[in-house]
Amino acid sequence: GAGVSQSPSNKVTEKGKDVELRCDPISGHTALYWYRQRLGQGLEFLIYFQGNSAPDKSGLPSDRFSAERTGESVSTLTIQRTQQEDSAVYLCASSFGTGGINGYTFGSGTRLTVV
Amino acid sequence: ILNVEQSPQSLHVQEGDSTNFTCSFPSSNFYALHWYRWETAKSPEALFVMTLNGDEKKKGRISATLNTKEGYSYLYIKGSQPEDSATYLCALYNQGGKLIFGQGTELSVKP
Repeated sequence: GAGVSQSPSNKVTEKGKDVELRCDPISGHTALYWYRQRLGQGLEFLIYFQGNSAPDKSGLPSDRFSAERTGESVSTLTIQRTQQEDSAVYLCASSFGTGGINGYTFGSGTRLTVV
Repeated sequence: ILNVEQSPQSLHVQEGDSTNFTCSFPSSNFYALHWYRWETAKSPEALFVMTLNGDEKKKGRISATLNTKEGYSYLYIKGSQPEDSATYLCALYNQGGKLIFGQGTELSVKP
């Protein structure tokens, strides 16, 4: 597609429920990243996929968080048993190569509210 | 743990004022420094990618400088306009495969 697409744009869920967030990167972009921004904080790295390599999961805050990517296509971020501290804007980005030189193209984010 | 610091955290200026923000980062293993603009309800938009010490980049009224030896970058906005209101993010790439972002500077420009 022309840009990075994320869905849903907004999600309100009850504490304890599971949620799934979707990211559709730019076609041909080999790298895909998930970040989140909680209220009053900076962009926090969650997970990074590069081609067929093992993902860098070093930013996932707990084992309730997981993510998958099918080839160089769509990615889903799943949060199990959501907690109020999971409320944040979840941003997905993609890049050609590592993004260190080319930069990222971001989606418009999913605003998750856990009540 | 890499620490990217931005200051100030927020800034309120009048239309027409010029302003600048700072991004500080560890200078070891430096590869690239990125600036993004993030307007409310929109996607963060890339402004600059800078790699060389002494680099200066310009885009309209916005410019940025880079000092990799001392580990800082400045972003300048000349003659701020209300449409410049946004959060400005800097991010460090040190070949770890992903960008490490600062907490951002929130700019508000009053007409």
